Amino acid sequence: DGGITQSPKYLFRKEGQNVTLSCEQNLNHDAMYWYRQDPGQGLRLIYYSQIVNDFQKGDIAEGYSVSREKKESFPLTVTSAQKNPTAFYLCASSMAGGANYGYTFGSGTRLTVV
Amino acid sequence: DAKTTQPNSMESNEEEPVHLPCNHSTISGTDYIHWYRQLPSQGPEYVIHGLTSNVNNRMASLAIAEDRKSSTLILHRATLRDAAVYYCIKRDDKIIFGKGTRLHILP
Repeated sequence: DGGITQSPKYLFRKEGQNVTLSCEQNLNHDAMYWYRQDPGQGLRLIYYSQIVNDFQKGDIAEGYSVSREKKESFPLTVTSAQKNPTAFYLCASSMAGGANYGYTFGSGTRLTVV
Repeated sequence: DAKTTQPNSMESNEEEPVHLPCNHSTISGTDYIHWYRQLPSQGPEYVIHGLTSNVNNRMASLAIAEDRKSSTLILHRATLRDAAVYYCIKRDDKIIFGKGTRLHILP
């Protein structure tokens, strides 16, 4: 079955360490997105990519980095520069080329800084 | 500006219809209206989307106002499993989420 896989489901990180969250899709979608969600809040856009080897900053990109070397993969690195990284991270994908396409979301990675 | 306006929360009785409103007064002619819902500790799930005319699928119906500045998501017969946060979104090249409407279903 096609879908988006995020791993791991739970992640613990020590302060000062970088950590990379995985997002893989087999839907042949062109566009991929990373969102952050804090308790009781909506989703905030971190980065998005419409095509391989290209990506744009969202509203809260500071302290994060991404790469898009393959169509099916869009890993997110949470760097030590991110002041408050504990959150629920969601990856999504969609067909590019218009607003008539919905998003498919992964099941999320819950990151906790200890 | 991709913002929409929704009530923070709503309640409904089980097995009754639910009408979830959304205002999107700054919508442009090419923006689609998308609805997603999110259960606790899960990723959002696509519900329905439309451009100008009303839309129906197995999950819900979407009624879009003639001036397109508002829309209503209709759950025809709510069940306990419909309790979730519902997001109304103007879709362009990226989706900006608001806080959505938390729907409580009363048994």
